[in-house]
Amino acid sequence: AQSVTQLDSHVSVSEGTPVLLRCNYSSSYSPSLFWYVQHPNKGLQLLLKYTSAATLVKGINGFEAEFKKSETSFHLTKPSAHMSDAAEYFCVVSPNSGGSNYKLTFGKGTLLTVNP
Amino acid sequence: EAQVTQNPRYLITVTGKKLTVTCSQNMNHEYMSWYRQDPGLGLRQIYYSMNVEVTDKGDVPEGYKVSRKEKRNFPLILESPSPNQTSLYFCASRARGGRQETQYFGPGTRLLVL
Repeated sequence: AQSVTQLDSHVSVSEGTPVLLRCNYSSSYSPSLFWYVQHPNKGLQLLLKYTSAATLVKGINGFEAEFKKSETSFHLTKPSAHMSDAAEYFCVVSPNSGGSNYKLTFGKGTLLTVNP
Repeated sequence: EAQVTQNPRYLITVTGKKLTVTCSQNMNHEYMSWYRQDPGLGLRQIYYSMNVEVTDKGDVPEGYKVSRKEKRNFPLILESPSPNQTSLYFCASRARGGRQETQYFGPGTRLLVL
């Protein structure tokens, strides 16, 4: 079984300050981990993914995430927030066992607000 | 352009009136899936398909049907919609490969059942 916990339902930052969105996971298998972003009234866009290569993963728009197996965490960070980063962010886990459903298990989402 | 398309994007219907939401992908992906998104719950899988004529239930399949007669298409059917199926629906696809594969999502279909 696999699960994802996003530790904050809402994060508010000022423009130009760092962003930290926290995610913990559990998985019976060595997982793949993803962060997706959803802007208002838009579909889901992949930000970045971890697939057991490098533990520090760089994504689009200056975001990055670090996989920490000992802490079962995959937190998303960005050094300096921009107004256009305001959106909902989902941490997602996918199993890597063969023959699986490839089902994505989503966290409940973190709404990021960026204040001018 | 590689994409997943869904139609319609918005739909208002009444209880009990059968409806179909279409999903199509142009990436020759074997795997397709449907999710619903509800506030505070994230996305939950409804049904998935590993290939043509191979479908199975996800976490919340009650009240839904699917079919996979062609590789590119994976329609979602609500035989008798009810108000608790009011939601935002996403179709997704991916290639069958290993852990490096990404799921690609359609733009979503917002359904209101009165």
